[in-house]
Amino acid sequence: EAGVTQSPTHLIKTRGQQATLRCSPISGHTSVYWYQQALGLGLQFLLWYDEGEERNRGNFPPRFSGRQFPNYSSELNVNALELEDSALYLCASSEIDRRQETQYFGPGTRLLVL
Amino acid sequence: GQQVMQIPQYQHVQEGEDFTTYCNSSTTLSNIQWYKQRPGGHPVFLIQLVKSGEVKKQKRLTFQFGEAKKNSSLHITATQTTDVGTYFCAGALLSSGSARQLTFGSGTQLTVLP
Repeated sequence: EAGVTQSPTHLIKTRGQQATLRCSPISGHTSVYWYQQALGLGLQFLLWYDEGEERNRGNFPPRFSGRQFPNYSSELNVNALELEDSALYLCASSEIDRRQETQYFGPGTRLLVL
Repeated sequence: GQQVMQIPQYQHVQEGEDFTTYCNSSTTLSNIQWYKQRPGGHPVFLIQLVKSGEVKKQKRLTFQFGEAKKNSSLHITATQTTDVGTYFCAGALLSSGSARQLTFGSGTQLTVLP
């Protein structure tokens, strides 16, 4: 069974630009979560999508947005990039239908803002 | 909102010494999960505890869930260099509704000195 995949693996942008990160969940998983992990720090919850809808949002500004597609894949968009947005962005998926909250993480996208 | 606190933030041990990380929730949990993130990697699910007072073992790792289902611990006996990484606990709220979200602790970064 294929795991959670994310693309690109690395992304370099300059301040003010926009970044788009993509995530494909494990087959059969309907929920997708996005986290930001700055170097050496913990997981900061960004967004949770399930069945195409945004279920919850972390304490991040509106320039962080996303969506979930009918095939349950997801996109995270970061507008007006700032230097402090440089981090590892992790996507995770889970099976909500069976009340299984266990999250399976992808390898992440390393975003560097110059 | 729900908070999950984890201590210590960092721990350096000599190889062969024991290690323990503690997790405390501000609210009663339905279950608690533990994840391990190796340096440069992504979090990987280790185990889930559901019952009050539950204890589970995985080789040298012992996981406990408190009687009140508000706290948990992970104990590693005789650490090895392969244990290096950040250990996260994650709690699922005991609440109604068909969808529940995990709240991650801040993680404990373990360094094992050879």
